[in-house]
Amino acid sequence: QKEVEQNSGPLSVPEGAIASLNCTYSDRGSQSFFWYRQYSGKSPELIMFIYSNGDKEDGRFTAQLNKASQYVSLLIRDSQPSDSATYLCAVNRNTNAGKSTFGDGTTLTVKP
Amino acid sequence: DTEVTQTPKHLVMGMTNKKSLKCEQHMGHRAMYWYKQKAKKPPELMFVYSYEKLSINESVPSRFSPECPNSSLLNLHLHALQPEDSALYLCASSHDGQGGQPQHFGDGTRLSIL
Repeated sequence: QKEVEQNSGPLSVPEGAIASLNCTYSDRGSQSFFWYRQYSGKSPELIMFIYSNGDKEDGRFTAQLNKASQYVSLLIRDSQPSDSATYLCAVNRNTNAGKSTFGDGTTLTVKP
Repeated sequence: DTEVTQTPKHLVMGMTNKKSLKCEQHMGHRAMYWYKQKAKKPPELMFVYSYEKLSINESVPSRFSPECPNSSLLNLHLHALQPEDSALYLCASSHDGQGGQPQHFGDGTRLSIL
């Protein structure tokens, strides 16, 4: 079992729909959770981070964390073609000098 | 434009060459990272510097040698690389070396070994 698992996709949604990206992790000691967006041929870009159970909203993006169930998700409302990218989930223990464990990423395609 | 600047953007080198990758950040961050990323894979951590001291070395071959001259600069010295070392090399920084801090990535250096 991988430490951080994501559906590889591709996930395809129509423009204007809600895209839901999921991530599960195995280390119960994980305390910090990050979502990065990576366009093809580009570097990862931080989208959201969340530390506490519940929802955190930033514009069209909402991160949801459930530590008891060991999952974190990213919702993208009103999806746009420009949201088409690979989304990486990263998890951190807070005690390991900044070392984050990345999932393999989910590729999202938003169709016009 | 990212606040973490990497040079060069592209590098082609032979297996006997010596070259260096450079990374600079002006966000006042005290932790800096080197990652290697192959196509369609997540970034793999190579090194972490916290307050200019090497805090993590992920068993990287000695042909990769990191250097942190000051809190704003990070270098990766390359020597006698192999074709399988061809990849995107990413630099990142965070507030400090404590866990839980989001990392900010540079645009990367795309390295090709002939």
